[in-house]
Amino acid sequence: GENVEQHPSTLSVQEGDSAVIKCTYSDSASNYFPWYKQELGKRPQLIIDIRSNVGEKKDQRIAVTLNKTAKHFSLHITETQPEDSAVYFCAEMRETSGSRLTFGEGTQLTVNP
Amino acid sequence: DAGITQSPRHKVTETGTPVTLRCHQTENHRYMYWYRQDPGHGLRLIHYSYGVKDTDKGEVSDGYSVSRSKTEDFLLTLESATSSQTSVYFCAISGQGSGYTFGSGTRLTVV
Repeated sequence: GENVEQHPSTLSVQEGDSAVIKCTYSDSASNYFPWYKQELGKRPQLIIDIRSNVGEKKDQRIAVTLNKTAKHFSLHITETQPEDSAVYFCAEMRETSGSRLTFGEGTQLTVNP
Repeated sequence: DAGITQSPRHKVTETGTPVTLRCHQTENHRYMYWYRQDPGHGLRLIHYSYGVKDTDKGEVSDGYSVSRSKTEDFLLTLESATSSQTSVYFCAISGQGSGYTFGSGTRLTVV
């Protein structure tokens, strides 16, 4: 079945540093990889996504890279700010799976001022 | 504001009672999902729907049932609530092969 492993489970950085979260997946048919940010007590919100025909995608301070051969994808946040502190979830989807997402277990990112 | 609402937002119920959570969307999306979120487990799929009256089980479906009689509404029922079903429940909607929009969540406590 589908499986997504996410590392690290917690990450603490100084304001202005970069943060990287990595996920690995097992299904070679997976073709859609979104990232969600969840602030305390709030709903998860989509922050960036990538499809399997693209290797990298950027949106201001965040970027996602995908290595299909190694079956891993990563979230990169540059110039981190305290408001980036949240739990981040990766996810993967196979188009033939009824558009179901399988989520990683999340990474608690803390940005220290 | 996100085109998806959940009700109630909070509920406390007693063990053994039935509970129904409601998810309502105004986006006319085909797909709707129920997830539960627990510390250390991330988001786990309970049931999902790919159309009116079309539903299927997720990875943690035991003790839960769903119904979708209209495109806009997806109901999650706990037939006989247990303490292990204390959790935060999120509904989500999506179009084909795209990311989800989540509802605000329902915090359910079973005492």
